[in-house]
Amino acid sequence: SQQGEEDPQALSIQEGENATMNCSYKTSINNLQWYRQNSGRGLVHLILIRSNEREKHSGRLRVTLDTSKKSSSLLITASRAADTASYFCATNDYKLSFGAGTTVTVRA
Amino acid sequence: EPEVTQTPSHQVTQMGQEVILRCVPISNHLYFYWYRQILGQKVEFLVSFYNNEISEKSEIFDDQFSVERPDGSNFTLKIRSTKLEDSAMYFCASSLDRAGEQYFGPGTRLTVT
Repeated sequence: SQQGEEDPQALSIQEGENATMNCSYKTSINNLQWYRQNSGRGLVHLILIRSNEREKHSGRLRVTLDTSKKSSSLLITASRAADTASYFCATNDYKLSFGAGTTVTVRA
Repeated sequence: EPEVTQTPSHQVTQMGQEVILRCVPISNHLYFYWYRQILGQKVEFLVSFYNNEISEKSEIFDDQFSVERPDGSNFTLKIRSTKLEDSAMYFCASSLDRAGEQYFGPGTRLTVT
């Protein structure tokens, strides 16, 4: 399994601050994906970064990938209350393997 | 924007009964998946389906489970003889290609009593 593991487990920030979370994985990958899950809801795909990419942006999201360290980071800039959710990285070896996630709480 | 839909949103069943969870993937997608999330635990892969057959399944996906694409739009997960430990959120997902973004439905909460 190429399961991603997120760090930290939980993060609490003030609205407007940036949130950074990390993901580590074990084996080589084709791509790495980040997902968000609001409490009790489905998973929302945020961004996919391919193994030959180092950085990718989507709106307020920035993802980096370091294949030499087998790690990725997700940065959410100018956080909003609506960003409160759990964030997961998943490596794609066809079947997604999810970690336990980082729970982000954005305080108003 | 196209989305994956799942029905029902919540299913309550008695132990030993059979349930069928339904999903309508995004129409032009070719790969279909079921995942499970037991309360408080990680999302776990169950099975993937392509070209009308199972392409991969996890250890969880034993003979109690089956999947079917009965027509051009629905994708179903059948759980026979449900057990208490089958209680979980079941998510359906679909993707256009094998290594692409997977789009998840809102889930079906299955409660086995």
